[in-house]
Amino acid sequence: GAVVSQHPSRVICKSGTSVKIECRSLDFQATTMFWYRQFPKKSLMLMATSNEGSKATYEQGVEKDKFLINHASLTLSTLTVTSAHPEDSSFYICSANDAGTSGRPYEQFFGPGTRLTVL
Amino acid sequence: KQEVTQIPAALSVPEGENLVLNCSFTDSAIYNLQWFRQDPGKGLTSLLLIQSSQREQTSGRLNASLDKSSGRSTLYIAASQPGDSATYLCAVAGNTPLVFGKGTRLSVIA
Repeated sequence: GAVVSQHPSRVICKSGTSVKIECRSLDFQATTMFWYRQFPKKSLMLMATSNEGSKATYEQGVEKDKFLINHASLTLSTLTVTSAHPEDSSFYICSANDAGTSGRPYEQFFGPGTRLTVL
Repeated sequence: KQEVTQIPAALSVPEGENLVLNCSFTDSAIYNLQWFRQDPGKGLTSLLLIQSSQREQTSGRLNASLDKSSGRSTLYIAASQPGDSATYLCAVAGNTPLVFGKGTRLSVIA
């Protein structure tokens, strides 16, 4: 149980375009989802916390207008990178919390990640 | 602010060796600690989760311990295999979302 999927797994786009990444919890309801960014050979950096039905909470230094997060349902959160530039190229990973229904509160389940390359 | 440190940053061992990866954290007020594995270009695979009330968890050749009072956790890998080569990340959950260490890059040489 507790599977999280991400789509697409890999995307290449031109500078100036917008890219949407989906994060889905397949077999549980996720009241909270998290979006992380990872640079090569670096650890994960939390970008924002996404709560179903409310605005996302962004970490310091993350541009809200550039990284749009929508958590419209208990199983889906989306991250849209607007007007992407080469410096946005990175590995984006989402995770979801099952609110303790797994019997292990605060455990996060991670998606497989999305590799974004902006040309 | 919670900070997580992993030592060593990189480790290379011959196949068959037992090894220990270390993780330390500055704020002992945690709910749990997780160890993850990450292969190059891939997402995270959860290996073990230790609740704050627990001292250790075991899964196959892996054993993770937690000493909350001293802010330390270790991941013990027995009889290492080339397939264990990956980056191992530890992360702690507290009043803030998961805080990750920078990872230990493990290479097991056949």
